[in-house]
Amino acid sequence: SAVISQKPSRDICQRGTSLTIQCQVDSQVTMMFWYRQQPGQSLTLIATANQGSEATYESGFVIDKFPISRPNLTFSTLTVSNMSPEDSSIYLCSVDGVANEQFFGPGTRLTVL
Amino acid sequence: QQQVKQSPQSLIVQKGGISIINCAYENTAFDYFPWYQQFPGKGPALLIAIRPDVSEKKEGRFTISFNKSAKQFSLHIMDSQPGDSATYFCAASMRFSHGQNFVFGPGTRLSVLP
Repeated sequence: SAVISQKPSRDICQRGTSLTIQCQVDSQVTMMFWYRQQPGQSLTLIATANQGSEATYESGFVIDKFPISRPNLTFSTLTVSNMSPEDSSIYLCSVDGVANEQFFGPGTRLTVL
Repeated sequence: QQQVKQSPQSLIVQKGGISIINCAYENTAFDYFPWYQQFPGKGPALLIAIRPDVSEKKEGRFTISFNKSAKQFSLHIMDSQPGDSATYFCAASMRFSHGQNFVFGPGTRLSVLP
């Protein structure tokens, strides 16, 4: 299984600011995924990030709010822009395994005041 | 049609008992059904998964039962231990050209009493 790290592990931010979350994988992967997990809730896919192309966003998520970079096959960033308290969530990146499974990073716990 | 339903929302089991969590889906295009275990402050970890061509898969104390005609699958945790206390998510996925679409159930918070 892939080993995934995320930075920061948690942050407290002010309304109106932006935060960039980093995701690093220990092996090259084609697709990386970003999820949001609101407090006490399930996981919701934000977007799929392929290296060399623009990210594909799910319904309800837009690039202006959640810009994503995928500069190489082991790294991706997700920016949460112009934050509001409603953005307080855990943000998770994940990657595909060789047999359709998904492996998740430890998550970034974001609190917006 | 993309929704995955999961029950119960929470479950309390005595140590040594059997924990059973149920999920149901609508979209027959789903072809992979994993279960994830999440401890507080951690990311979800893949526990066990099944494909629709088999009706049961067992790994240690964890078993998935799959009923393709009913579009239901369940997780059984035998001899439940306090260390199993966590939130469990079922999921269903299918592949698209741009990636893979995972749909997660709402989760079940399991508490195993010592």
